[in-house]
Amino acid sequence: AQTVTQSQPEMSVQEAETVTLSCTYDTSENNYYLFWYKQPPSRQMILVIRQEAYKQQNATENRFSVNFQKAAKSFSLKISDSQLGDTAMYFCAFMRHDYKLSFGAGTTVTVRA
Amino acid sequence: EAGVAQSPRYKIIEKRQSVAFWCNPISGHATLYWYQQILGQGPKLLIQFQNNGVVDDSQLPKDRFSAERLKGVDSTLKIQPAKLEDSAVYLCASSSQKSRGGGKTEAFFGQGTRLTVV
Repeated sequence: AQTVTQSQPEMSVQEAETVTLSCTYDTSENNYYLFWYKQPPSRQMILVIRQEAYKQQNATENRFSVNFQKAAKSFSLKISDSQLGDTAMYFCAFMRHDYKLSFGAGTTVTVRA
Repeated sequence: EAGVAQSPRYKIIEKRQSVAFWCNPISGHATLYWYQQILGQGPKLLIQFQNNGVVDDSQLPKDRFSAERLKGVDSTLKIQPAKLEDSAVYLCASSSQKSRGGGKTEAFFGQGTRLTVV
């Protein structure tokens, strides 16, 4: 079974600064997908960034980047130049070969003005 | 393209009553998921369909929950009878399942249905 662990229940960051969210996962598969989703208080889940396990290069989407360490089964998210609109709950998610998608418990990020 | 549609947005029922949720996935998406999200927690997968077949329903409480996906498109999730602990947001998501290097594989989510059981 795949498990996704997010060890930081809450993170707070000053506007314009950088915050890093951690995520580890457990799997015996070699090919899979990893995602970070954002869920603002309105609750619709939005994709932030995705990473294919077969790609060594870390994914980047504007201010969001990941540090994917396949051997360590680690997938952290860095938010640079934090903005007030980044305030939300962030979920790390793992998709295996049959497209089963499992989520971590989430990290609440609060950006302070 | 149109997103994942869910209805209703909110529902309040008494315990032991029944309730049904509806989901219309993005056109052409083969995979459909139903998740239960309790406040402050991560989504828990209840059932995953591929077209109209069930891929995984290992965490679906089958004594009270049921789901179907007719003709591989729309899906309904039913709870009968409801318990207080079923109070949660029920999320529907769909995925296109494009092959590796062939396109998107992420799941797209609807706005969810907030269920309150009193």
